[in-house]
This record gives sequence, C-alpha cells and structure tokens, in this order.
Amino acid sequence: TAGITQAPTSQILAAGRSMTLRCTQDMRHNAMYWYRQDLGLGLRLIHYSNTAGTTGKGEVPDGYSVSRANTDDFPLTLASAVPSQTSVYFCASSDLPGGGYGYTFGSGTRLTVV
Amino acid sequence: GENVEQHPSTLSVQEGDSAVIKCTYSDSASNYFPWYKQELGKRPQLIIDIRSNVGEKKDQRIAVTLNKTAKHFSLHITETQPEDSAVYFCAASIGTNAGKSTFGDGTTLTVKP
Repeated sequence: TAGITQAPTSQILAAGRSMTLRCTQDMRHNAMYWYRQDLGLGLRLIHYSNTAGTTGKGEVPDGYSVSRANTDDFPLTLASAVPSQTSVYFCASSDLPGGGYGYTFGSGTRLTVV
Repeated sequence: GENVEQHPSTLSVQEGDSAVIKCTYSDSASNYFPWYKQELGKRPQLIIDIRSNVGEKKDQRIAVTLNKTAKHFSLHITETQPEDSAVYFCAASIGTNAGKSTFGDGTTLTVKP
C-alpha cells in the first residue's frame, strides 16, 4: 500500500542519547515535513524539505536535524535528547509543485525521553 | 509568521445535529486551507480543503467556507454520526512557501448517540 512509513512506532530514550526517527514515502512526493504533536499544542513544524537536497527550519527546530539525500527518505535526528522532546512525531509528505496540497501523514513515532 | 486560531477546543453534539468549527488566520498571503481528522491514536487524515479562489466547498456531509476578507474559514458537518467523533485540525499554508502548513490547536468533537 502506497504511503509513508515511520519507524520505530515507539521508543523510550535516555536523556543525552541520540536517536534517528526514520521516514520513507513511496508516492514520489516532492515535499516532506516533520511535525511534533503535544497535547493542547496541536502540530508544530520542526523541519521541512521542498525537494531532495534541500531542507529548512520550521517553528521548533532546536535540538533536531534532518537530511534529504533522496526523494523517498527524510530522517529526523535528535543529537542529545532532553525530556522536553517527549512527544509524538509525525512525518508527512505533499505533492507540491508550488500550489499547496494536503499532507499524507505517517502513523507517528511516540518518543519518551527519560 | 502565520498564526491560526481554532474554536472551540471541545464540542459535544447529539447524533444528527450539525457541528461547526471555526478558524482564523493572520497571514493574508495564505491561499490553501485544509482540514484534518484525527481519530484517537491514529494519524491525521485530510478530509477536505479549500483554496483562496473558492468561497465554499462541499463533500457529502462536510462543507468548508472561506472568508478571505475576514481571514476566517469554517468546517461544517451535518447529520453528525458517532463515527464523526475525533479531533479536527484546521491549517493554513502559502503555496509558494514550501507548502508549510500552520495548524490550529484542534477541536475535540464528541457525537453522542
């Protein structure tokens, strides 16, 4: 089934450790995004990528980094996790030739930093 | 940057009644307004969207209206059913700005049988 795959589904991580959240899409969408979802705060953009080879910062980028080596993959790395990064992380993609299209979301990664 | 406010934060209706969720946005350059439904423990899913050159769009029991002058848009669900119970998010984006969407904080809709 076409769509976005995120891994892992959930993770408990010790503070100070690093971790990479994986995101892969098979729809050949140009744009990809990482959001975090916290109770009462909706979805906040961490980083995004218009196309392979380019990335940009969103609303809450501190403590996170991304790369976009190819169209399909958009991993999110936490270099040194802190408890405030406990959240549900959603990867999304959009077929974006500049017109603005709705997102397809992955199933999310629930991360707990202890 | 863009700011999206969504009201109400919670909404409870009887089955068969209508539900209305309202959002306002701040950036007049925004031109794409999607709505997402998120069931408990699941991913958000796009249910309807509207572009700035359209005032209203309808899809079965769901409709969205847009008032660009006032910078607000609304989701209307008619003949609500228990399976409509979920969190609904509005969003606003500028098509030329990487399609980045700014989301409202969500509305928890409960449809009572």
